[in-house]
Amino acid sequence: EAGVAQSPRYKIIEKRQSVAFWCNPISGHATLYWYQQILGQGPKLLIQFQNNGVVDDSQLPKDRFSAERLKGVDSTLKIQPAKLEDSAVYLCASSLRTGSYEQYFGPGTRLTVT
Amino acid sequence: GESVGLHLPTLSVQEGDNSIINCAYSNSASDYFIWYKQESGKGPQFIIDIRSNMDKRQGQRVTVLLNKTVKHLSLQIAATQPGDSAVYFCAEIVNDYKLSFGAGTTVTVRA
Repeated sequence: EAGVAQSPRYKIIEKRQSVAFWCNPISGHATLYWYQQILGQGPKLLIQFQNNGVVDDSQLPKDRFSAERLKGVDSTLKIQPAKLEDSAVYLCASSLRTGSYEQYFGPGTRLTVT
Repeated sequence: GESVGLHLPTLSVQEGDNSIINCAYSNSASDYFIWYKQESGKGPQFIIDIRSNMDKRQGQRVTVLLNKTVKHLSLQIAATQPGDSAVYFCAEIVNDYKLSFGAGTTVTVRA
């Protein structure tokens, strides 16, 4: 079974620039999550989708972050404009459904904002 | 803020010895806990889980203990191997679906 795919793996941008991350979940997984993991900390949930609808985006900084999952499969997370404090690893995870506790994580995208 | 946390940020263990990683949580309403392992450059990987109606659960070389009285859980790894070197996170389920992670313990296995 193929795992969660993410791209790019690494990205370096200057502050105030824009960046987008892509995620392809495990086939058949209805629920998709985006996490932010700052160095030395545990992942923090940014947004959760159930199919193409948002279940929870309470911790997403909506003034600069946006995410979509238009066809209920792939998802993109965008930051515009980026700030220095956005430097982190952005992890995508998927699970069969909301309430299915076992989440499968992708390798993440390491973002460095200079 | 985070409701789970780990007692020690780092743990160094001799290969072949047993490892014990501790975690304290504050949300007494949490009814499900998970341990994750994260290797360098990879996403977290599920290790083992435990429900709040259990005190102990065993997997392959791993055991999770839950003490609800003091709101503490631990992960025990038997016969630690070099491949066990990683960051270990405890996480709890809140609001029926949301994973809340602690800060992590970095385990280094000495040859």
